[in-house]
Amino acid sequence: GQNIDQPTEMTATEGAIVQINCTYQTSGFNGLFWYQQHAGEAPTFLSYNVLDGLEEKGRFSSFLSRSKGYSYLLLKELQMKDSASYLCAVSDSNYQLIWGAGTKLIIKP
Amino acid sequence: IAGITQAPTSQILAAGRRMTLRCTQDMRHNAMYWYRQDLGLGLRLIHYSNTAGTTGKGEVPDGYSVSRANTDDFPLTLASAVPSQTSVYFCASSPTGTSGTDTQYFGPGTRLTVL
Repeated sequence: GQNIDQPTEMTATEGAIVQINCTYQTSGFNGLFWYQQHAGEAPTFLSYNVLDGLEEKGRFSSFLSRSKGYSYLLLKELQMKDSASYLCAVSDSNYQLIWGAGTKLIIKP
Repeated sequence: IAGITQAPTSQILAAGRRMTLRCTQDMRHNAMYWYRQDLGLGLRLIHYSNTAGTTGKGEVPDGYSVSRANTDDFPLTLASAVPSQTSVYFCASSPTGTSGTDTQYFGPGTRLTVL
């Protein structure tokens, strides 16, 4: 079967750095997405990785290792507005997205 | 309109009733999708459409139907609602028909409760 694993919940301090991990087992791989979802709102796109390595975009970076079936989202200089759920999704061999259950990130002052 | 709109925002429905959730996008995207989101589970694809006039089944299509008569609209119909269909429903779109590499843009969601 296809599976995406993420931690259910993480807590971090304002101003700090946090790494959210995602491991996947899918039939085929056509890229990995990270989305942010604030409570009661729609998911919004953060990043897309299809090649191994680190993609940096401002305070957010995303890393991919295809051989390990592993990705992480790195958030730097955390702000209270970063409190949200972070969703990992993998595009499988049929180009359909398989979604993880999401990681709820709680930021404390 | 800017982006994707969904209606209604929320609905309480008696079991056995028919219900259509509406979704409209103004970005001229080819592909559209319907997902349901339940606590503790990832988004699950119900149906999708790669282009106007075509539709396909996702992971959890039973009890749902869709149509894509034009580029902008992609309604989702529950023919006879059951309590297990209580969920938050998100409509999404992407520029091309290949969702695997496209960013998906989501509507605000419809919160549906079936009693």
